[in-house]
Amino acid sequence: NAGVTQTPKFRILKIGQSMTLQCAQDMNHNYMYWYRQDPGMGLKLIYYSVGAGITDKGEVPNGYNVSRSTTEDFPLRLELAAPSQTSVYFCASSQDRGGRNTIYFGEGSWLTVV
Amino acid sequence: AQSVTQLDSQVPVFEEAPVELRCNYSSSVSVYLFWYVQYPNQGLQLLLKYLSGSTLVKGINGFEAEFNKSQTSFHLRKPSVHISDTAEYFCAVSDGGTNAGKSTFGDGTTLTVKP
Repeated sequence: NAGVTQTPKFRILKIGQSMTLQCAQDMNHNYMYWYRQDPGMGLKLIYYSVGAGITDKGEVPNGYNVSRSTTEDFPLRLELAAPSQTSVYFCASSQDRGGRNTIYFGEGSWLTVV
Repeated sequence: AQSVTQLDSQVPVFEEAPVELRCNYSSSVSVYLFWYVQYPNQGLQLLLKYLSGSTLVKGINGFEAEFNKSQTSFHLRKPSVHISDTAEYFCAVSDGGTNAGKSTFGDGTTLTVKP
């Protein structure tokens, strides 16, 4: 049962560098999400997608970009990394439109910007 | 807009004691409520959810929660905790309106079970 798979698990970036966090799900879910989790805080939604080719901003989209070319993949791009982007990033997916659905999470990517 | 408040950031308890983790929500429409658990260095996984019907919801690992519409609460309970229940617990709310598909999470409650 792969579920939601994220890579890399850990990464250290220098200020100004760019990188892509990869995310793939094998549950044929339409909805996919990227959240960030700062220490002692809940999850903040960065971007989400309701299907291939459709993405939209969440609460904290600045400094990030996403694309959704297939149902399975939803990469998150960090441009010009800043210390404020040091966080744990979670990719997630859910089956369908409507708030009834369980969200399935990946194991997280720990990113440090120095 | 919807919001979630978890009233306790940390809850220490001894093994085999009962525990309650408190969650209040606000929303202008009918809501769906969830509790997720996050074990160290892992992603979140669903404990239980309330969609409709009976206000007492049972989940995995012996946890249960009660939906109270008049008090806008969804508190999580377990009658006897184990060391393995040590984790971060998140309450979440979503609705079927314009925010469909997007959940709002609380800031989390750290449950520490001591021997």
